[in-house]
Amino acid sequence: SQTIHQWPATLVQPVGSPLSLECTVEGTSNPNLYWYRQAAGRGLQLLFYSVGIGQISSEVPQNLSASRPQDRQFILSSKKLLLSDSGFYLCAWSVGGSYNEQFFGPGTRLTVL
Amino acid sequence: AQSVTQLDSHVSVSEGTPVLLRCNYSSSYSPSLFWYVQHPNKGLQLLLKYTSAATLVKGINGFEAEFKKSETSFHLTKPSAHMSDAAEYFCVVSDDRDDKIIFGKGTRLHILP
Repeated sequence: SQTIHQWPATLVQPVGSPLSLECTVEGTSNPNLYWYRQAAGRGLQLLFYSVGIGQISSEVPQNLSASRPQDRQFILSSKKLLLSDSGFYLCAWSVGGSYNEQFFGPGTRLTVL
Repeated sequence: AQSVTQLDSHVSVSEGTPVLLRCNYSSSYSPSLFWYVQHPNKGLQLLLKYTSAATLVKGINGFEAEFKKSETSFHLTKPSAHMSDAAEYFCVVSDDRDDKIIFGKGTRLHILP
């Protein structure tokens, strides 16, 4: 069966510090991978998606970046965090196009102080 | 262009009474539609999806939704609410022609004892 892992589960970082959130998927090959951010009262915002190794599409301009160094690994990064980066970050995967179900990880709660 | 509108940000019902969470969508093509549920500080889980088969879709935990093209709606219902249904619910529209996925802003369901 497939599983998706995210870590860390919670993170408190000062403004201006770097960020690295990791997401890995097991039990499937060549998944589509997604990073979402959920801020209070603002719903779910798609940040990045990837259809293959090294292929990253960005949905919104920001100081975050994403990388996919391996087929089932997706990393969200920042060189300098802003207060507005606080939120709940969710990684998800799917097989094929957007008409298919997405499977979500447990999320990372990021607080920037 | 696609869009999705969840008409209520909060819904409160008594345990044992029916649940109705409203969702309207806009899509240029034949969309795929989904409902996801998110319990506090957890990832999202698929409740059900519509992909141009039967217009009445049955999902997990007794939920169902009806696709009404004439009304551009995909409302989520359950005959009898349970305390464990308290969560946030997201309506999602996607179109595999442009591979875009749009999440609604969510509806928080409160169950009163």
